Amino acid sequence: GAVVSQHPSRVICKSGTSVKIECRSLDFQATTMFWYRQFPKQSLMLMATSNEGSKATYEQGVEKDKFLINHASLTLSTLTVASAHPEDSSFYICSAGQGLSYGYTFGSGTRLTVV
Amino acid sequence: GIQVEQSPPDLILQEGANSTLRCNFSDSVNNLQWFHQNPWGQLINLFYIPSGTKQNGRLSATTVATERYSLLYISSSQTTDSGVYFCAADNDMRFGAGTRLTVKP
Repeated sequence: GAVVSQHPSRVICKSGTSVKIECRSLDFQATTMFWYRQFPKQSLMLMATSNEGSKATYEQGVEKDKFLINHASLTLSTLTVASAHPEDSSFYICSAGQGLSYGYTFGSGTRLTVV
Repeated sequence: GIQVEQSPPDLILQEGANSTLRCNFSDSVNNLQWFHQNPWGQLINLFYIPSGTKQNGRLSATTVATERYSLLYISSSQTTDSGVYFCAADNDMRFGAGTRLTVKP
């Protein structure tokens, strides 16, 4: 079945530093990848939609300059949290899909803590 | 964008009981999926079901696309079924608020 690998699973960083999260589709080519943010005991909030070779489409209220998304190939998308601050601490999850008929598969998530 | 609503928000069951979780969506959809989020945050794909009925063991799901809802059935619930169940709809995978299920032994 489709497998999506997300790294790192957990990261602690100092305020002001940047953090990169990788999302890879291991056994299929992902034309579309999504990035979500989840606060404790809440649902997943869509941050942006990433299509290979084009600029990401960000949801209203998501800062493009803070959350940099790059989808350089059909198997890799990255989310960089630039100049992270404690309020950026959250659980970030990616998903990837081959196309509508197959549904989407999720990575295992990255728990970011900014101190 | 599409609105996705789930009910009930919380559900407490005794082991062995059956349950039905509901997902309503505000417009026609090309994609609908049900997920179970485990305590470590991993989203487990249960069903890809934009229409029709599917079954997998004790779980089954039905989507009535014309009436804009989907149902997830859990039969003979076990304590390991506890967790949060989400549905997500449409091309850009909008999530409902989830149903938090607790199965007591």
